[in-house]
Amino acid sequence: QAVVTQEPSLTVSPGGTVTLTCGSSIGAVTSGHWPYWYQQTPGQAPRTLIYDTNNRLSWTPARFSGFLLGGKAALTLSGAQPEDEAEYYCSLSYGGVVFGGGTKLTVL
Amino acid sequence: EVRLVESGGGLVQPGGSLRLSCAVSGFTFSAYWMMWVRQAPGKGLEWVANINQDGSEKYYVDPVKGRFTISRDNAKSSLYLQMDSLRAEDTAVYYCAGSGAAASWGQGTLVTVSS
Repeated sequence: QAVVTQEPSLTVSPGGTVTLTCGSSIGAVTSGHWPYWYQQTPGQAPRTLIYDTNNRLSWTPARFSGFLLGGKAALTLSGAQPEDEAEYYCSLSYGGVVFGGGTKLTVL
Repeated sequence: EVRLVESGGGLVQPGGSLRLSCAVSGFTFSAYWMMWVRQAPGKGLEWVANINQDGSEKYYVDPVKGRFTISRDNAKSSLYLQMDSLRAEDTAVYYCAGSGAAASWGQGTLVTVSS
């Protein structure tokens, strides 16, 4: 079974830009892995931010964008806000789905 | 408004069974893959199972294979998870979620497996 890897933690300054990545233990991530990105704040259910690599949901702020970068899926946050402090998870599809371990993003 | 509402969680003894339900409204349920995801206390997200639009394709994470069964009723816009032979390590909040442009999540239902 594939292991999906994410940075355990990242810090960004208010108004700054940060990129989170999502890698696969068995090779490069492609659009065929249908990468998703999710945001979860403490005590809340997750919510999906990005599906199929780069598609925002209706509720996803425009400051979040998804893409492929260097064999990984990536999520860039441009113009970080205090409310963006959260845990971010990615998932990849191999038939079944595998979630990454999550990235704790601090806005400080 | 899109809504996913899980129900059926609770306290169950090891070896017992539970059936989770997820009632969906606000999008064309029959057009999307659906999945169950769980989160043990203080841990990350773990995909449990998913099912295609007509129920003909189902996938499970290895630890639940042979014990859990995912199903759906498109006429009722509902997703289900039958959980048998429950173990302590199945203790978690269970979420249902859609896919693609319908990738919303429910609020979750807590399953506690303990004697």
